[in-house]
Amino acid sequence: DADVTQTPRNRITKTGKRIMLECSQTKGHDRMYWYRQDPGLGLRLIYYSFDVKDINKGEISDGYSVSRQAQAKFSLSLESAIPNQTALYFCATSDSQYGEQFFGPGTRLTVL
Amino acid sequence: EDQVTQSPEALRLQEGESSSLNCSYTVSGLRGLFWYRQDPGKGPEFLFTLYSAGEEKEKERLKATLTKKESFLHITAPKPEDSATYLCAAPPSGATNKLIFGTGTLLAVQP
Repeated sequence: DADVTQTPRNRITKTGKRIMLECSQTKGHDRMYWYRQDPGLGLRLIYYSFDVKDINKGEISDGYSVSRQAQAKFSLSLESAIPNQTALYFCATSDSQYGEQFFGPGTRLTVL
Repeated sequence: EDQVTQSPEALRLQEGESSSLNCSYTVSGLRGLFWYRQDPGKGPEFLFTLYSAGEEKEKERLKATLTKKESFLHITAPKPEDSATYLCAAPPSGATNKLIFGTGTLLAVQP
């Protein structure tokens, strides 16, 4: 089984809809991250969390919110989706301050 | 401003034709330079971490090296299965627990 899972893997929605993307991990890591990936722009950090009580904004948090329900679960919400939020979304985990991050398989989100 | 820049954007090689990918960074007090491989439709997969100038790490046909301003990913005698996007990343200056990613090099190895 995959260590970092994301659901759904693909989602098509309409402008104005609320969307939740979910991430679960079995690696036992405290640190979890949400990124979006756009062609030509690379991976950009949306939010990150060091534990269930610690949530931090990344470089592009506007229009997004997150919830850390447990050590193993980190959800990303788009309160009112807009077309320029169409992108690939990745969840990642890490077990140390300077350590590598381990990525999930991604969610392809299309906002019409 | 902290930046991680990769070149070239895309590289096409013949099988067996060795080459190098470049990652330059303008982060002060580097606390790690990370290389990832990303296949289409998948999440990035960790390859290497380098921490100090002069350090080298190898995995199969890949070797990563680090200087004070840049890192290279050398690919020796590549095979078609090495085709992927290669990403590099580094923590921003004065920050931990985060990474700044380059936009990647798309490598295509033709048989």
